[in-house]
Amino acid sequence: KQEVTQIPAALSVPEGENLVLNCSFTDSAIYNLQWFRQDPGKGLTSLLLIQSSQREQTSGRLNASLDKSSGRSTLYIAASQPGDSATYLCAVGPPGDDKIIFGKGTRLHILP
Amino acid sequence: EPEVTQTPSHQVTQMGQEVILRCVPISNHLYFYWYRQILGQKVEFLVSFYNNEISEKSEIFDDQFSVERPDGSNFTLKIRSTKLEDSAMYFCASSWDRKNQPQHFGDGTRLSIL
Repeated sequence: KQEVTQIPAALSVPEGENLVLNCSFTDSAIYNLQWFRQDPGKGLTSLLLIQSSQREQTSGRLNASLDKSSGRSTLYIAASQPGDSATYLCAVGPPGDDKIIFGKGTRLHILP
Repeated sequence: EPEVTQTPSHQVTQMGQEVILRCVPISNHLYFYWYRQILGQKVEFLVSFYNNEISEKSEIFDDQFSVERPDGSNFTLKIRSTKLEDSAMYFCASSWDRKNQPQHFGDGTRLSIL
């Protein structure tokens, strides 16, 4: 059964720093992996989608990498800003399934 | 940018009552989903819907749950006889493609069962 883990559960960093959020999954047989952002009381905003054949995806200051064989993905945020404060969720898409399986998220706080 | 909209934002219901949560997916999307998030827990998949029928459902999605696309724009989740443990945030999502495009989520409906 696929399990998705995100460590740490919470992270505080000063504004301007580059940072890395981690995601690990137990079954390397995935079709894709998606990173989301969730603001308090709000829905999930899709940030990046990486297909299993890809190693990374970039969007602005965000870069997501995927190492399927080791069951890991990272989300790199460059030059962090207070507006980046949110919970970041990682979710994997198993092959053959419609569903995506979520981690519990990392709650990020950027200190002004 | 097109978005998924959900109504109401908050629903309070007595235990045992029926509740219908409503969603308007992005207009050209073909795949529709419901997820839920119990407070402090992970987001969990409930059901997917394509071509006017359920495509996949989880163990959570038992006989008390049903989904419907009554017209060309709305997608609903019905819980027939609510239980206390149904209290959660319910998210609707849609995607244009089953696997190669991201799922886009609404802001959710907070369901509180008294």
